[in-house]
Amino acid sequence: DADVTQTPRNRITKTGKRIMLECSQTKGHDRMYWYRQDPGLGLRLIYYSFDVKDINKGEISDGYSVSRQAQAKFSLSLESAIPNQTALYFCATSPSKYTDTQYFGPGTRLTVL
Amino acid sequence: AQTVTQSQPEMSVQEAETVTLSCTYDTSESDYYLFWYKQPPSRQMILVIRQEAYKQQNATENRFSVNFQKAAKSFSLKISDSQLGDAAMYFCAYRKGLGGATNKLIFGTGTLLAVQP
Repeated sequence: DADVTQTPRNRITKTGKRIMLECSQTKGHDRMYWYRQDPGLGLRLIYYSFDVKDINKGEISDGYSVSRQAQAKFSLSLESAIPNQTALYFCATSPSKYTDTQYFGPGTRLTVL
Repeated sequence: AQTVTQSQPEMSVQEAETVTLSCTYDTSESDYYLFWYKQPPSRQMILVIRQEAYKQQNATENRFSVNFQKAAKSFSLKISDSQLGDAAMYFCAYRKGLGGATNKLIFGTGTLLAVQP
């Protein structure tokens, strides 16, 4: 089984709809991240969480919210989806601030019509 | 602010040949880490290799090696004996030193590598 899973893998929705992307991990890591990938822009950080009670905005948090339901679960919500939120979304984890490597989930392809 | 630049949007290599992907970065930090991630058509982000800035020795992982030039802020990836399975998008990424607030990775825009049989 994969260590970091994301659901759904693909989603098509309409402008104005509320969407939730979910991330689960079995690695036991404290730190979790949400990134967005756009063609020609690489990956950019949306939100990150150091533990259940510690959530922080990344560089492009506008239009997004997150919830850390447990150490293993970190959800990303789009309250009212818009077409320019069409992108590939990645969840990542890392054990602690003393470890540099992040481990990525398989990504969610989101299309907003 | 730190930035990562990959100036080659696309590259092509013949199977069994060697190819080098370029990456430059800008930082005022002395302690940091650099990474190359591979993204095949499956979309999965796979760590290829990492380099600690305080180490002078270039990192190597099987057919993958880096040329880390700290003064020039350059971090290129060399793939030897290229295989069809190496075809992917390759991202260079930077992270501030351990103990930094975010573990935040800063990514370049990627280089799409094609491997010709």
